This record gives sequence, C-alpha cells and structure tokens, in this order.
Amino acid sequence: DAGVTQSPTHLIKTRGQQVTLRCSPKSGHDTVSWYQQALGQGPQFIFQYYEEEERQRGNFPDRFSGHQFPNYSSELNVNALLLGDSALYLCASRERGLAGFAGELFFGEGSRLTVL
Amino acid sequence: SQQGEEDPQALSIQEGENATMNCSYKTSINNLQWYRQNSGRGLVHLILIRSNEREKHSGRLRVTLDTSKKSSSLLITASRAADTASYFCATMQGGSEKLVFGKGMKLTVNP
Repeated sequence: DAGVTQSPTHLIKTRGQQVTLRCSPKSGHDTVSWYQQALGQGPQFIFQYYEEEERQRGNFPDRFSGHQFPNYSSELNVNALLLGDSALYLCASRERGLAGFAGELFFGEGSRLTVL
Repeated sequence: SQQGEEDPQALSIQEGENATMNCSYKTSINNLQWYRQNSGRGLVHLILIRSNEREKHSGRLRVTLDTSKKSSSLLITASRAADTASYFCATMQGGSEKLVFGKGMKLTVNP
C-alpha cells in the first residue's frame, strides 16, 4: 500500500518563474493538504482540498493555487516565484469520509524547491 | 504564524536515557499531535491527544496535556540512536483541519 507520494523530489527555479508540484494521496484517502516548511521552521498550512474544491486556506498570497483531480491527486502551483518561496513543500492526506475528523495526517517526503 | 513552541530547541542525550520535550501553545485546541521528521524529510505521526485527555501512551512514548496551562510534554523512554530526529508539536482547533506546528526540537541520541 503506497503512502503519500510527491513529485518532483527536488527542483531549482529562478525568480519570476512558475512551478507545479504534484501529490498522490495514500490509498483510501480523499482529502489533501499542502504545507510549506522553510529551513529550520515548522510546516505552515497552505490550503486543503476535498471533493476537488479548496476548503480551507492559510495565510498565503494568491500566487499559491491548487487543484484536486477526480482521482484525489492534487497539484500545488506557485507563480512569480520569490527567493522566499524556497522551502520544502509537504503534502498530507487523511482518510475518506470521516465525519468530524480529528486525527492524524499522513505526509509525503516532500518536494524541495530552491529559488535562485 | 506558529502556535506551538517546543522547549528545549535542541537536546543531546545518551542511548538508554529518557528524553522529554515540552510544547506550549496559545489558543484553545481540539487536539494536540506530535510528529517526527528525519533530516528534512516527511513527517511521521507519533501520537495524538484530545483536549479532554490528560495522558496517553504509545509504546515508548508518553504524552501529557494540560489545557489550563496550554502545554504538553512528550517523553521518549529508553531512547535509541534511531530516535535522532526533529520533533514537532502541532495543534488542531475545533472546526478546522489545519495543523499549526511549532518550530520543532532537534533530538540527538548518542550511541
């Protein structure tokens, strides 16, 4: 049973470029969240997707956008990259159909983005 | 913004010793979770404690929660070199599935 998978694992971009990161949730999971982790910091919530819609959003500018597909996989897009966008981007998923969910998230290994 | 703050920020111990990490947070919560991260890789869920619980055990892990002081502690007993990692506390508030993480604590267990 594959866990949460993310691609690519590493990438380098230059300022002003755009990047797309991909995530496949764990089998049986339908909700995906994205987190940004700067070096030496804890992860910060970007947004959550469920039923192909953005359900919750953290304090990130509109340059950060996402998408969820019918197979529950998700993409994170960042436009007009800034040096400060350099970070580890983590995708997390949770089980399907848990009403009033208050449990653990399963994280992928992350995509490390470097902006030069 | 980050809600939790782990203390100490770094801890170095010998194998077999116990490691205690503390976490403080600012707002009311639904639950508090502890995660582990090896060398900037993915996070692994360790244990979850709900706001109406005071103590929970899982293997060598013991977590306590004091909602009146807005604090939690994680105890790892009989530590092993493989426990070397960064540990994060994260809180989840009612009505939200957003996890708010602390800055983390780096634990080094020397063989």
